[in-house]
Amino acid sequence: SQKIEQNSEALNIQEGKTATLTCNYTNYSPAYLQWYRQDPGRGPVFLLLIRENEKEKRKERLKVTFDTTLKQSLFHITASQPADSATYLCALEVNNAGNMLTFGGGTRLMVKP
Amino acid sequence: DTGVSQDPRHKITKRGQNVTFRCDPISEHNRLYWYRQTLGQGPEFLTYFQNEAQLEKSRLLSDRFSAERPKGSFSTLEIQRTEQGDSAMYLCASSLGLAGGGEQFFGPGTRLTVL
Repeated sequence: SQKIEQNSEALNIQEGKTATLTCNYTNYSPAYLQWYRQDPGRGPVFLLLIRENEKEKRKERLKVTFDTTLKQSLFHITASQPADSATYLCALEVNNAGNMLTFGGGTRLMVKP
Repeated sequence: DTGVSQDPRHKITKRGQNVTFRCDPISEHNRLYWYRQTLGQGPEFLTYFQNEAQLEKSRLLSDRFSAERPKGSFSTLEIQRTEQGDSAMYLCASSLGLAGGGEQFFGPGTRLTVL
């Protein structure tokens, strides 16, 4: 069966450290993988998109990797800040699927000062 | 344009009642999506529109659910004969509908509680 797995346990890290979140998937062949941030009571906000032929994408303190052999994406936040505390969702987009997204369950990140 | 808006933000209803939610997408976006999200889970796709055409419906969308986008602008999602299991956050998103990967812009959601 198809699955997208993110660590359901909260990730607690100290301010200034690098946070690394994992997204694993099975029985999908995504053309694109996206990462979103969601704060409590709000809709998700787009962060980064990476294509199947890209290994790595960066944006400011964010970095995403995409390994289609391992069927895994890693999401890194460097120099983390308390304001980075939120739930982070990965989402797969299968080609020719109208940009429909299939989301993982999300990982809650808590950055402590 | 300030983004995707949804109305109402909260809805409490009794089991068996009908409810309707509205979504106003970003004006130049031709694709509109509905998702449902329960506590601790990621959003689950329900349906999407390309302009006014409803192109895909999830198997999650029972026949009690119907969605419309009559003029290719705003959309409504109606749930008939609500059940307690329908309690969730209903999210609307829109996108430009690019062929090569599309960032989706989400609204704040409508939180439905069925008593």
